Formats: sequence, C-alpha cells, structure tokens
Amino acid sequence: ETLMTQSPATLSVSPGERATLSCRASQSVSSNVAWYQQKPGQAPRLLIYGASTRATGIPARFSGSGSGTEFTLTISSLQSEDFAVYYCQQYNNWPPYIFGQGTKLEI
Amino acid sequence: QVQLQESGPGLVNPSQTLSLTCTVSGGSISSGSYYWSWIRQPAGKGLEWIGRIYTSGSTNYNPSLESRVTMSADTSRNQFSLKLSSVTAADTAVYYCARSFDSSGYFPIDNWGQGTLVTVSS
Repeated sequence: ETLMTQSPATLSVSPGERATLSCRASQSVSSNVAWYQQKPGQAPRLLIYGASTRATGIPARFSGSGSGTEFTLTISSLQSEDFAVYYCQQYNNWPPYIFGQGTKLEI
Repeated sequence: QVQLQESGPGLVNPSQTLSLTCTVSGGSISSGSYYWSWIRQPAGKGLEWIGRIYTSGSTNYNPSLESRVTMSADTSRNQFSLKLSSVTAADTAVYYCARSFDSSGYFPIDNWGQGTLVTVSS
C-alpha cells in the first residue's frame, strides 16, 4: 500500500504568517492527492484535490503543489479559523486510499 | 447540495456486528459517477478508509478489514450501509460516510457526513 507521511506533526504559527505543510508518498501517486481540514468535533472538509485545485468555496489563501511523491499545502496568511488539523490523502493507488497522520496547526 | 447522515447504534457488544446506515439527500446514490464510502477515526487519531461502493453497486474494501466488512446499497431509500463483524474495542471510533466524485477518473472525497460515534463495550 502507498503510505503518506506528513511533516511536521505540529506547526506553531502566528496569525497573518505563512504556513507550509508537507506530505510525502511512499511511491508515486501522480497528482492524485487531496488535502482536508478538520476542526474539533467536525468532519474533515475538502480543501485541495488534484494536488493543486481548490475545492468549491475554499479561499485563495489556500494553495497546493507537487506531483509524484512530494506535496505541499501552503496557507499564505493565517486567519484564526485556519487553526485545525490538516490531512493529506492519496487516491491514486487502491486499495486502500491512505491518509497521512495529520499536521496540527496551532497558534 | 448533497447531504449525508449516519445512523445506527452507538454501543455494540464485543464479538457482535456493527451496523450503520448512511442516508443521502439532495442527490441519488444510483446516478452519476460517484463512490460512496465509509471512513473511521478513533478518538485523537487519524482517518482510516474502510471501503467504498460505486453507483453500479460494486464494492472495494480495505484489505486490513476485508474479512469483516460488508457494504451494500438500498437505492429505493437512497441509503448505503456498513456491516463490520466480530468487533473489538479497537473498532471504537467515529464512523463517517462520504461521497467521492469523479475527477478525471480518480475519486477524491467532496462530501462527508457529520460522523457517528460507535463504542464497542459490554
């Protein structure tokens, strides 16, 4: 199975600053990577798919990049509502679709 | 806007079968090109994909759970279901149903239910 490794596990950033989250696949997943945001007590929300396409209604401060095995989610200017856990997920190689272990973005 | 809602017992005895249903509103589970999935998350931990069912009714399961998982769909009720047999405490988690859409032949998730907590305990 294709494993997804996220780094760092926790990222401490101040509001207004830029945050860069990384995700590495154990083998090539082309551009079939999604990023999800999860807040406490809520279901995950799709932010990015196809490595770089923003989902409907997602602010432009969220951007994704990468292909193959290395992927990045960038939040250009952190707002208070952005502090959450972020998961990457590969949907290229089934079975199964694997999520990363998450990066907690904290103030 | 499609909405998904999980339902089922919140407490299951060890060795018994966990049964959950996802009711879909705002769209038909038998039309379009979508996968309908179950995903779970133990408290304080990450996400685990359990399996998926296509609009045609074909299924795929996570190999780590395949021997215990059955998914099915009831198109007349616009619902799909999960059965997980021989449960243990390790199956205690929030269970989400979700929809994946066709993005050039690959299927990211774009809609999630709110999740339902299932506890395995006697």
